[in-house]
Amino acid sequence: QVQLVESGGGLVQPGGSLRLSCAASGFTFSSYDMHWVRQAPGKGLEWVAFIRSDGSSKHYADSVKGRFTISRDNSKNTLYVQMNSLRAEDTAVYYCAKDLDIDVWGTGTTVTVSS
Amino acid sequence: QVALTQSPSASASLGASVKLTCILSSGHSNYAIAWHQQQPEKGPRYLMKLNSDGSHNKGDGIPDRFSGSSSGAERYLTISSLQSEDEADYYCQTWGAGIQVFGGGTKLTVL
Repeated sequence: QVQLVESGGGLVQPGGSLRLSCAASGFTFSSYDMHWVRQAPGKGLEWVAFIRSDGSSKHYADSVKGRFTISRDNSKNTLYVQMNSLRAEDTAVYYCAKDLDIDVWGTGTTVTVSS
Repeated sequence: QVALTQSPSASASLGASVKLTCILSSGHSNYAIAWHQQQPEKGPRYLMKLNSDGSHNKGDGIPDRFSGSSSGAERYLTISSLQSEDEADYYCQTWGAGIQVFGGGTKLTVL
């Protein structure tokens, strides 16, 4: 069964940092591009970051560029996003997602940025 | 850069059919898209990938009531025999050069 399970969310103060993880199972993780997508409370889906299957290419939304870093460990079947200089507007549920057409979504982890 | 436009809301009666629309921005009419469903208080769920020629590949377990079609820059999601659990937000999504783009979503109300 193809599955993505995020972890690492929580409450953090503005300016703080957090690292999210996404554990993949049920498919050959190293063969697929991956993404992080977020959804702020009451809002739509917003793409955050992309990483190619072998990690050779990364892209970011303008809203997180320079603050977030996407990475992956194909030996551990795990996707990461390091989030620095967090702002209130980064408060959202964060999902990891598989492949270009996002055919699998993770369960989501909630990040709350507040003092 | 590609953009996607969706109507904010739609409604249809229980047992009826509804056709949701996603419009690709000018110059991007050949792009494939994906449709996703998000039921209240749940995470998104992949419905299908929809190509510019109208061919589509549905996700595992997606009922036959869900189908896709295309015309020019417009991509459609048709849901027939509407059920109460179809009341949800529906998002279209496309991609290019490592960038992902989502439409604003359509909130479907089943009357």
